[in-house]
Amino acid sequence: NAGVTQTPKFQVLKTGQSMTLQCAQDMNHNSMYWYRQDPGMGLRLIYYSASEGTTDKGEVPNGYNVSRLNKREFSLRLESAAPSQTSVYFCASSEAGANYGYTFGSGTRLTVV
Amino acid sequence: QKEVEQNSGPLSVPEGAIASLNCTYSDRGSQSFFWYRQYSGKSPELIMFIYSNGDKEDGRFTAQLNKASQYVSLLIRDSQPSDSATYLCAVTLGSATNKLIFGTGTLLAVQP
Repeated sequence: NAGVTQTPKFQVLKTGQSMTLQCAQDMNHNSMYWYRQDPGMGLRLIYYSASEGTTDKGEVPNGYNVSRLNKREFSLRLESAAPSQTSVYFCASSEAGANYGYTFGSGTRLTVV
Repeated sequence: QKEVEQNSGPLSVPEGAIASLNCTYSDRGSQSFFWYRQYSGKSPELIMFIYSNGDKEDGRFTAQLNKASQYVSLLIRDSQPSDSATYLCAVTLGSATNKLIFGTGTLLAVQP
């Protein structure tokens, strides 16, 4: 079982460049999430998709866009990367909402220079 | 006031001792409570969840919930060096059961 797969695992961007972080789950989960994790700040929700066809902003959505491509895939796009977006990004999924907890992907470590 | 608060630690305990990790949350309407373990450089892994007041045991782990005090704790019995990690408390806030809010985590160090 692959669970939640994120690509790439590492990325270095120059300020102003764009990129898309990919996430796919094979557990037939309805809900998917993007978090960022920074030292001293914990995990903060960027965007989430409660079900296929819906997306909603989380706590820190500025500078990001998302696409729920189908039930399996949920991508995160940085249109114009900034050094403040240097972070570790985690995708997660859950069966239905958050009441059963999440399964996390292995993360993407992004550095913007 | 942060929505989910944890002492950042490090909490240092000797091997074989009981480690006690604590978490407070701000919203009295919260319904679901989770503990995740995160090793350095790895992703969070769900280890316990609890929905009702009282204790819930799973192997060496016990989660405790007191909704009146807005307090969740995790006890790890017979702590092992392999338990050394950051423990994240997560809570659904009020009626918003479709997302989790995380604390900043407590670093646990189990000394051999």
